[in-house]
Amino acid sequence: DAGITQSPRHKVTETGTPVTLRCHQTENHRYMYWYRQDPGHGLRLIHYSYGVKDTDKGEVSDGYSVSRSKTEDFLLTLESATSSQTSVYFCAIRSSGDEQYFGPGTRLTVT
Amino acid sequence: GEDVEQSLFLSVREGDSSVINCTYTDSSSTYLYWYKQEPGAGLQLLTYIFSNMDMKQDQRLTVLLNKKDKHLSLRIADTQTGDSAIYFCADPRYNNNDMRFGAGTRLTVKP
Repeated sequence: DAGITQSPRHKVTETGTPVTLRCHQTENHRYMYWYRQDPGHGLRLIHYSYGVKDTDKGEVSDGYSVSRSKTEDFLLTLESATSSQTSVYFCAIRSSGDEQYFGPGTRLTVT
Repeated sequence: GEDVEQSLFLSVREGDSSVINCTYTDSSSTYLYWYKQEPGAGLQLLTYIFSNMDMKQDQRLTVLLNKKDKHLSLRIADTQTGDSAIYFCADPRYNNNDMRFGAGTRLTVKP
């Protein structure tokens, strides 16, 4: 357990509404990641952060933004949710040994 | 083709060995990883292998790496019903910030 929590764990929202997902870690790791998991695709990287206020895009960043104002929190925002963003979202941290450890996930449904 | 490829399904009898295969395209990674995902849960790091190794054994798990063919396999000896899960092969690529996952192999263990 790498001390990672995600909130909310489940969310249903309507198309066009903004949504923010939160990832919280307790162990002061520098690197944090947001992935989405879809059947047949495994996990795909959305954005990552390499420090407070330092973020970069991943493979599937369109339609998502992130913010990291504190080491322990990494927020993922969908400015205007679409049905194609229905997915399970996972946050991860990179340990000092370079392995990535994952949170429990947030299941988002956009209707 | 995809960066990391895996077959999607594997079914074995309890007590048999399971072999899950993976091919990858990037040859610059220092490590390659195997993750396990149980229903409704996040990904759990199962094991990893350094790119300069051919084999790593960890209790019932054996990882084989063929760098020439870019082929990775995970063997689970004496497979148990508790091993039923989805197994992901992951390649962190050159800087660990662009982790690519296979689509996952769903292992079903029949009693």
